[in-house]
Amino acid sequence: GAVVSQHPSRVICKSGTSVKIECRSLDFQATTMFWYRQFPKQSLMLMATSNEGSKATYEQGVEKDKFLINHASLTLSTLTVTSAHPEDSSFYICSATTSGGLSSYNEQFFGPGTRLTVL
Amino acid sequence: SQQGEEDPQALSIQEGENATMNCSYKTSINNLQWYRQNSGRGLVHLILIRSNEREKHSGRLRVTLDTSKKSSSLLITASRAADTASYFCATDGGNNRLAFGKGNQVVVIP
Repeated sequence: GAVVSQHPSRVICKSGTSVKIECRSLDFQATTMFWYRQFPKQSLMLMATSNEGSKATYEQGVEKDKFLINHASLTLSTLTVTSAHPEDSSFYICSATTSGGLSSYNEQFFGPGTRLTVL
Repeated sequence: SQQGEEDPQALSIQEGENATMNCSYKTSINNLQWYRQNSGRGLVHLILIRSNEREKHSGRLRVTLDTSKKSSSLLITASRAADTASYFCATDGGNNRLAFGKGNQVVVIP
């Protein structure tokens, strides 16, 4: 159980276009989803915390107008990179968790990641 | 948020040897977790140790936590080629927001 999927797994786009990445919890309801980005050979950096039905909470330095997050249902969160530029090229990973139920510490279950390349 | 930080060195070992990596952090934590990441893939949760625990075992994994030194270690015993991956520690300050360390790349040579 506790499977999280991401779509697409890879995307290449031209500079200036917008890209939407989906994160789905397949077999549980995710009250909270997290979005991370990871540059090559570096660590994961938390971008934002997304709670179902409410606005996302962004980490310091992350532009909310640049990275639009929507968590419209308990199984789906989307990250839209607006007007993407080459410096937005990165590996984007989501995770999902639920309050109570699966674990007392609200274990995060990670998606497989989406590789974004902006030309 | 807290920052877990591993020693930045890459580790290359022979199959069957033990691999040890360390992690340090700066602020108080609720728990510390270790993850594995294969190249270009998502993260796999390995083990969690709570702030009131000092040592924990899971199969070939052994994790220690020293809250007075704000450090943790991950030991993989009898390593296998399949253990080749990057290993990250992540700290949870109690609000479920994880702060990841830099990661240690481990290469196990068959």
